[in-house]
Amino acid sequence: DAGVIQSPRHEVTEMGQEVTLRCKPISGHNSLFWYRQTMMRGLELLIYFNNNVPIDDSGMPEDRFSAKMPNASFSTLKIQPSEPRDSAVYFCASRRTGAFYEQYFGPGTRLTVT
Amino acid sequence: GENVEQHPSTLSVQEGDSAVIKCTYSDSASNYFPWYKQELGKRPQLIIDIRSNVGEKKDQRIAVTLNKTAKHFSLHITETQPEDSAVYFCAASMTGSQGNLIFGKGTKLSVKP
Repeated sequence: DAGVIQSPRHEVTEMGQEVTLRCKPISGHNSLFWYRQTMMRGLELLIYFNNNVPIDDSGMPEDRFSAKMPNASFSTLKIQPSEPRDSAVYFCASRRTGAFYEQYFGPGTRLTVT
Repeated sequence: GENVEQHPSTLSVQEGDSAVIKCTYSDSASNYFPWYKQELGKRPQLIIDIRSNVGEKKDQRIAVTLNKTAKHFSLHITETQPEDSAVYFCAASMTGSQGNLIFGKGTKLSVKP
């Protein structure tokens, strides 16, 4: 089992550019979560999907952020246009549907917007 | 919605001492409480969890207690070792297909040799 896969692991971009983060959940996991982690705000849930359907996107900070899950094995988080305050580590996590199942995190993408 | 408060934000102990991290939650419907450990530069990883029908759970040097009436739960680490140094997050959620985790802000634990 390869675990949750995220790419890229590091991204440095200039303000105003589009950024796309990618995630492949663990096979068989029906729920997928996108988090943002910063020193100031801790670990924030941005959006989560059940069976590829977005359930709650209330954590998405602005319209500049969007997420998709076209199939059970792939999800993207897009920021357009990016701003310096978007700099953070973005984690993707997955688990089997049902709250008692362990949630597995990917290695994260460290985003720096200059 | 659910809100999870975690204390302290930082904790420093001597190797061999015990460490206790406390969390409170607001939604009495929450019934699952995991704890995650995040080492520097790494991803959060589950170390122990407890369900609301249990008051205490232990796994070697770590234990978690839950007080449903008071809506608080705690992580206890005994005989701390330098490799226990990390950020620890508590979380709470409800069962059901929409049981997403609500995390506390984290506690940075430093174990001094």
